[in-house]
Amino acid sequence: GENVEQHPSTLSVQEGDSAVIKCTYSDSASNYFPWYKQELGKGPQLIIDIRSNVGEKKDQRIAVTLNKTAKHFSLHITETQPEDSAVYFCAAKLTGGGNKLTFGTGTQLKVEL
Amino acid sequence: GAGVSQSPSNKVTEKGKDVELRCDPISGHTALYWYRQSLGQGLEFLIYFQGNSAPDKSGLPSDRFSAERTGGSVSTLTIQRTQQEDSAVYLCASSLGRAGGWYEQYFGPGTRLTVT
Repeated sequence: GENVEQHPSTLSVQEGDSAVIKCTYSDSASNYFPWYKQELGKGPQLIIDIRSNVGEKKDQRIAVTLNKTAKHFSLHITETQPEDSAVYFCAAKLTGGGNKLTFGTGTQLKVEL
Repeated sequence: GAGVSQSPSNKVTEKGKDVELRCDPISGHTALYWYRQSLGQGLEFLIYFQGNSAPDKSGLPSDRFSAERTGGSVSTLTIQRTQQEDSAVYLCASSLGRAGGWYEQYFGPGTRLTVT
């Protein structure tokens, strides 16, 4: 089955700096890679996603890049703000594997004033 | 509109007791998922329902875990003879769509289960 590794487990940045979270996956048959943000006491919420036929996607301050050859993908947050503080999860979906996701172990991002 | 709701929000039970966790998906969503989130861990897939198809139970950790979805809507996750290692947050999600496609999964707030 699929295995997703995520680094770092914690990340602290100053407000206005950029944050980068990296994930690797094991199964080359994975074709969809969403990123979720989870705030304390809430369920995860999708913030951006990328499909395997695309190398990069951007939405305002958030971008995701995918390297299929190396089987890794990254989340980039620019101009970080205190409200970006949360736990971020990457995930991968196998082609033909129904819609179930395999998640990374999460990154606790703290944006300091 | 209303999102995914789960009940109870917190559940404390004694080791060996059975528990039932409930999920109300978003109206019209044909797919429903259960995940488990242990402290400091990612989300672990448990089971997936899609329409009238047989559920994908490949993530259930033992035969003490079962789930059903009645009328294609509400789902109940049952854990029998609970163990301390079952303590976790149980998350439910729902989405539109058919198997093989991709549709955003909307998560509920979770049920925090503590087994003493």
